[in-house]
Amino acid sequence: AQKVTQAQTEISVVEKEDVTLDCVYETRDTTYYLFWYKQPPSGELVFLIRRNSFDEQNEISGRYSWNFQKSTSSFNFTITASQVVDSAVYFCALLVGRGHQGGSEKLVFGKGTKLTVNP
Amino acid sequence: DGGITQSPKYLFRKEGQNVTLSCEQNLNHDAMYWYRQDPGQGLRLIYYSQIVNDFQKGDIAEGYSVSREKKESFPLTVTSAQKNPTAFYLCASSNRAGTEAFFGQGTRLTVV
Repeated sequence: AQKVTQAQTEISVVEKEDVTLDCVYETRDTTYYLFWYKQPPSGELVFLIRRNSFDEQNEISGRYSWNFQKSTSSFNFTITASQVVDSAVYFCALLVGRGHQGGSEKLVFGKGTKLTVNP
Repeated sequence: DGGITQSPKYLFRKEGQNVTLSCEQNLNHDAMYWYRQDPGQGLRLIYYSQIVNDFQKGDIAEGYSVSREKKESFPLTVTSAQKNPTAFYLCASSNRAGTEAFFGQGTRLTVV
């Protein structure tokens, strides 16, 4: 079975603090993709990053960085010097099923972490 | 502009009625998904489709039905069998090459 666990339900920080959002996934597939999405109060999900199972390089994009570790099945997301505009719900997601004969790709989400950045 | 459109944004339904949520995409994506979002529950997968005229049940398909007669359209019907339909519904589409999914703006369904 495929599963994504985001153990942190809510996090509250003060502006300029660094914050890390945890994501742990479960899958028996050897080929899979991991994603992070941001959901602002408007409700629409905004894509942040994608990682495939064969690429363990960490990535940095401005104040955002991601740490992918297959050994611990984790794909954590760090925001450096947080800002009020970072306040949102963040979702980690897992895409499995690609490459299976006759199979279908299935995109599964964690329960999300609500981040509040206070001024 | 290319994108994914859900309508309506808000929908009210009387108990015992079926209601259909629209989802249209012009991104030429093969895969489409429906999710339900409740407070504290994250996004739960209702149905997904990889190709026209084919779809699979997700984790919470009971009380819902879908069709995929056209590549660009994936409507979701919330039937009277769904006992607790009040929720925020999100539709998404993606290219089957494992790329990211694009989401619509969602439909908030309320049973009155």
